[in-house]
Amino acid sequence: EAGVAQSPRYKIIEKRQSVAFWCNPISGHATLYWYQQILGQGPKLLIQFQNNGVVDDSQLPKDRFSAERLKGVDSTLKIQPAKLEDSAVYLCATARQGAYEQYFGPGTRLTVT
Amino acid sequence: ILNVEQSPQSLHVQEGDSTNFTCSFPSSNFYALHWYRWETAKSPEALFVMTLNGDEKKKGRISATLNTKEGYSYLYIKGSQPEDSATYLCALGGYSTLTFGKGTMLLVSP
Repeated sequence: EAGVAQSPRYKIIEKRQSVAFWCNPISGHATLYWYQQILGQGPKLLIQFQNNGVVDDSQLPKDRFSAERLKGVDSTLKIQPAKLEDSAVYLCATARQGAYEQYFGPGTRLTVT
Repeated sequence: ILNVEQSPQSLHVQEGDSTNFTCSFPSSNFYALHWYRWETAKSPEALFVMTLNGDEKKKGRISATLNTKEGYSYLYIKGSQPEDSATYLCALGGYSTLTFGKGTMLLVSP
């Protein structure tokens, strides 16, 4: 089966600009996660979707980050405006409903200058 | 807030060496322990999901053990190869979000 797809793979923007990332899950995976991995740290959950509903967004900086999962399939994560500390790898992961194992995409490496 | 600790932070070994890493976690409210391998520019790859105390799992030259009572898991690599070079992440979590450690970066030199 095809894996989790993410785009773009790399993005460089200036601070205060906007950026959006896209994730296409494995077919049939109801649960979708966005993680942020800052250099030297482990991935940290930003938001979890179950189909098109938000399950957990407690760690999402809502003043600048937003995410949506229209029709319970693809998802986009947006940052507006970006700050220097947003430089990180943004990982999308998906899972079957009720399953432990999460499958990750290759991530988007964001550099904010 | 769960605290997942991994050691060492990084490791450099020669081809053929065997090595091991540690993942420590709070023993209360345990659901599952995940090990991932993350090679540069690739997707993190699931190695093992472990749920039972005393669990041992093996995949080729890589194996893992779990002690939920004392809150640790070991990952072993036998006869390391250059292609084993990657960051190895452990994470706690069940049917929900994962809490990751910072990872152990392994470099295997030919």
